[in-house]
Amino acid sequence: DQQVKQNSPSLSVQEGRISILNCDYTNSMFDYFLWYKKYPAEGPTFLISISSIKDKNEDGRFTVFLNKSAKHLSLHIVPSQPGDSAVYFCAASALTGANSKLTFGKGITLSVRP
Amino acid sequence: GAGVSQTPSNKVTEKGKYVELRCDPISGHTALYWYRQSLGQGPEFLIYFQGTGAADDSGLPNDRFFAVRPEGSVSTLKIQRTERGDSAVYLCASSSGAGGPSEQYFGPGTRLTVT
Repeated sequence: DQQVKQNSPSLSVQEGRISILNCDYTNSMFDYFLWYKKYPAEGPTFLISISSIKDKNEDGRFTVFLNKSAKHLSLHIVPSQPGDSAVYFCAASALTGANSKLTFGKGITLSVRP
Repeated sequence: GAGVSQTPSNKVTEKGKYVELRCDPISGHTALYWYRQSLGQGPEFLIYFQGTGAADDSGLPNDRFFAVRPEGSVSTLKIQRTERGDSAVYLCASSSGAGGPSEQYFGPGTRLTVT
């Protein structure tokens, strides 16, 4: 039972255009969401996060949007650059309790074409 | 500063053997997590330490898996009687918080192959 779903396994965009990566979740206890980026043979690298009290968080070229009613979040990268090509994981945690273990989606492979 | 390190980077072992995987978290991070990533999947939670104690081991698949963190820093994941299905990348992460909204920093992982 996938609690965090990234239904599109891959995305290809042209350099300079916007990349939109989507993520859905089913567990209503989740209230903190993160995006990680992963290159081959490396561990995931933290990119950006958002708390459920917000609906948008921006950091440079990266913006995460959260729609709690739809249990949906998205990562926007604009403008996309070839160096953004990687696997992107959406992750969620529940802030209640002392354990903020992360539940990950399967990931989306982003390819940015020069 | 130094990030999370994991050794070995690769481990090939025969079915039925015992393996140990080591994680060195970021200095000062009290929380340490182990995850396992199988091919085509996202990382899956195995166990969480807060200091020396395992606060949540609900993700360990069975009693062949065990982890320790005796001094609240380095952690070792131990797998007994390995099976081919244990083949995966084992990721370690640490964070500064005692839980709550703090991002986790991951190591490069140990790729375990059971033949």
